[in-house]
Amino acid sequence: ETGVTQTPRHLVMGMTNKKSLKCEQHLGHNAMYWYKQSAKKPLELMFVYNFKEQTENNSVPSRFSPECPNSSHLFLHLHTLQPEDSALYLCASSPYAGGGNYGYTFGSGTRLTVV
Amino acid sequence: DAKTTQPNSMESNEEEPVHLPCNHSTISGTDYIHWYRQLPSQGPEYVIHGLTSNVNNRMASLAIAEDRKSSTLILHRATLRDAAVYYCILSESGNTGKLIFGQGTTLQVKP
Repeated sequence: ETGVTQTPRHLVMGMTNKKSLKCEQHLGHNAMYWYKQSAKKPLELMFVYNFKEQTENNSVPSRFSPECPNSSHLFLHLHTLQPEDSALYLCASSPYAGGGNYGYTFGSGTRLTVV
Repeated sequence: DAKTTQPNSMESNEEEPVHLPCNHSTISGTDYIHWYRQLPSQGPEYVIHGLTSNVNNRMASLAIAEDRKSSTLILHRATLRDAAVYYCILSESGNTGKLIFGQGTTLQVKP
C-alpha cells in the first residue's frame, strides 16, 4: 500500500454512464490532487484541493466533477464521457497544497476505458 | 513553472551506478528540485528532492550544481526493479507551487 488508495483499479464505462472514482489517504495530508495520464503523454494536473477547498481547476471539462468531503477523501464524478477520456487517473496527496519542500504521495491509479 | 530538460532514454547495466541528468537553466531561487519515478502500470513514486545542497536517502542521491542550473539523480547500484520513467520537476515553494510533469527519462536496466 502506498498510503493513497484508489478504487476501482479498472473501470469500463459507456459514454452515457455515470460513475465515480474514489481516492482515500490516511497520511494526515491536507492537500489532494487529480492527475490524468493519457497514453504516451505526461501526467496532466486536473484539480487541486487544499483543506477541502478547490484551489485549482486546469480547464477541465464539466463532465469531470470533483468532490472533496474531507481532507482524507477525494472523488471524481464522471458523466457523458468521450472515448478520448480513456486514461489512467491518478490521485495524489501532500501535507499542504503547492510544491516546494513537500513530496507528493500517489495512488496506483484507476485505468478508465470509455466505450 | 520553470522547465526541465531530460534525455528521453538511458540504459544501464545491473549493479552499476546510474547518473540521470536534468537541466533547469531557468530555475528561480525558490524552486525545489524534485525527482519521481514511475514503474509500469503504477503511479509515480517520490524519490528525492532538494534546494541547494546535495541530498542522500535510501533510494538515491541528488547532486545539485553550484549554480543550480542542473542536477543529477544518482542510483548507486541499479537493479532490474529500477527500470522506470524518471521525472525531474521544479516546484516553487509556497502554495502556488505544484508538480508539473514532463516526458521524463525512460531508464532501461540490462541484466
